[in-house]
Amino acid sequence: AQSVTQPDIHITVSEGASLELRCNYSYGATPYLFWYVQSPGQGLQLLLKYFSGDTLVQGIKGFEAEFKRSQSSFNLRKPSVHWSDAAEYFCAVGAGNNDMRFGAGTRLTVKP
Amino acid sequence: DTGVSQDPRHKITKRGQNVTFRCDPISEHNRLYWYRQTLGQGPEFLTYFQNEAQLEKSRLLSDRFSAERPKGSFSTLEIQRTEQGDSAMYLCASSPPQVQETQYFGPGTRLLVL
Repeated sequence: AQSVTQPDIHITVSEGASLELRCNYSYGATPYLFWYVQSPGQGLQLLLKYFSGDTLVQGIKGFEAEFKRSQSSFNLRKPSVHWSDAAEYFCAVGAGNNDMRFGAGTRLTVKP
Repeated sequence: DTGVSQDPRHKITKRGQNVTFRCDPISEHNRLYWYRQTLGQGPEFLTYFQNEAQLEKSRLLSDRFSAERPKGSFSTLEIQRTEQGDSAMYLCASSPPQVQETQYFGPGTRLLVL
């Protein structure tokens, strides 16, 4: 079965600084990859997804992610972080069926 | 276009009581999923439906957990004889037939078992 590792439990960045959140997956074939964001006490909002094609995908709120097969990674990036980006971010991998596995999440704190 | 809705948003119950949560998916989404999320963890898949058929339920946490989707629209998740370890956020998601791999989540029901 597929699995996801988010190596960073908590990241703090200054407002206006760039951001990269790491995600590594394990799956034998080409996976479906997702990034979700969750604000405190709320459900998950889809930021972006990768199924195939261009390995650099654009999402909402100025986020992008790059699929690197050789590194089994799907890192999330944003060039300039806003205070409203403070939240929990989850990477997920799907196998084309119902079975979607989530990482444990990375909590983002934004310093003023 | 309304998103996935869940009711109630919060539930406090005493150990041993039964609880039932409701999920209304996005209109015309034929797949509906239930997840559990504990503090500091990502969502954990429990079960899913395609229309009214429950296609996967082996990952329900115990036989105290059951789910239904009788008319292929809304779904309910019931936990019988609740235990303190059941305290968690219960999330519902739905996906459309055209892009079934993409799941859209509701706001969740936070359960506290005293």
